[in-house]
Amino acid sequence: AQSVSQHNHHVILSEAASLELGCNYSYGGTVNLFWYVQYPGQHLQLLLKYFSGDPLVKGIKGFEAEFIKSKFSFNLRKPSVQWSDTAEYFCAVNAGNNRKLIWGLGTSLAVNP
Amino acid sequence: DTAVSQTPKYLVTQMGNDKSIKCEQNLGHDTMYWYKQDSKKFLKIMFSYNNKELIINETVPNRFSPKSPDKAHLNLHINSLELGDSAVYFCASSHGSTNIQYFGAGTRLSVL
Repeated sequence: AQSVSQHNHHVILSEAASLELGCNYSYGGTVNLFWYVQYPGQHLQLLLKYFSGDPLVKGIKGFEAEFIKSKFSFNLRKPSVQWSDTAEYFCAVNAGNNRKLIWGLGTSLAVNP
Repeated sequence: DTAVSQTPKYLVTQMGNDKSIKCEQNLGHDTMYWYKQDSKKFLKIMFSYNNKELIINETVPNRFSPKSPDKAHLNLHINSLELGDSAVYFCASSHGSTNIQYFGAGTRLSVL
């Protein structure tokens, strides 16, 4: 069965630290990849997506992610986090020709000022 | 001018009651979804409709029944509410093959 694994469940950083959140998926075919963010008490918002082309994609608020096909990975990065980045981060994969997203369990990021 | 709107935002009710949550999107999307997010933030797909046709129906108790009167609306009715139904329910919509999903603000359901 298709699955998405996010390795870090809870991450605590100080402001200005660099961030990398891991995401791996299990599916051998073509995939669309997403990172969503959920700020405290709010709904999920799209951070960035990968469909095809350049495997390094840039999203909002300085986030980027790199698709490495050979590693089935789509890790999220930010060079310097801010307190306002405190949120829950979800990786999701759309595999095959269907409407269903497979979601990771989420990573809770806390940034200390 | 909210893209995906859900009502109500908060719902507090007693066990055994029946309640409905409504969702509307004004994005012109053809597919709508209901998700349940538990206290650990785990996001679980429940249902999805494409052009008013049910296309995703995960393992959900029969007490949950979605209804899509048209492409822009997807409602969720829950019968005989149980304590374990307490969660945040999110509606989402998407269009075409990209499957970029846009979420509503959520409905926080508390069953007492």
